Amino acid sequence: EIVLTQSPGTLSLSPGERATLSCRASQSVSSSYLAWYQQKPGQAPRLLIYGASSRATGIPDRFSGSGSGTDFTLTISRLEPEDFAVYYCQQYGSSSWTFGQGTKVEIK
Amino acid sequence: QVQLQESGPGLVKPSQTLSLTCTVSGGSISSGSYYWSWIRQPAGKGLEWIGRIYTSGSTNYNPSLKSRVTISVDTSKNQFSLKLSSVTAADTAVYYCARWARGSKAFDYWGQGTLVTVSS
Repeated sequence: EIVLTQSPGTLSLSPGERATLSCRASQSVSSSYLAWYQQKPGQAPRLLIYGASSRATGIPDRFSGSGSGTDFTLTISRLEPEDFAVYYCQQYGSSSWTFGQGTKVEIK
Repeated sequence: QVQLQESGPGLVKPSQTLSLTCTVSGGSISSGSYYWSWIRQPAGKGLEWIGRIYTSGSTNYNPSLKSRVTISVDTSKNQFSLKLSSVTAADTAVYYCARWARGSKAFDYWGQGTLVTVSS
């Protein structure tokens, strides 16, 4: 099973700042199968990025994804108040899905 | 607009079987373009994939839960279901159903989630 490790666990930033979230895989992941989700309290996760770098429908362009192999990054260029949430990376491989443990982006 | 809605008991006794159903609206569960999954999240913790089913009935399960999980599909009702046997307090969580799109290769639609508590 591929393990995804996200860092940092918590990111304390101010609105307008840039957020950089990391997702590291225990073995190589196909970029096609790497996605990022945003989850706010009491809500289901929402798809942000699929295929490591493609934005889902309706996702603002301040969200971007990059990376390959075992290292992937989600960047939020300028944090808006509604972006403070928990973010998860997720991969699919060998008929199994796994999620990272999440990074919480909180208001500083 | 596709919608997924979980339903089932919110309280299950230890050692019993947890049963949930996900009803899909706004799209056909028989479409070959999607897999249908169950994912859970204990309070304050991360997401755990439980398993998935395809319209044909083929399934894959999380190895850590495989011995206790059964996922089935009822195409006539546009529903798929989860059964988790021999539950303990560790199975207390919000349970989500979600659609995996084979094109984008991501979970693009999720249900709102339903809290299941395991307690006597």
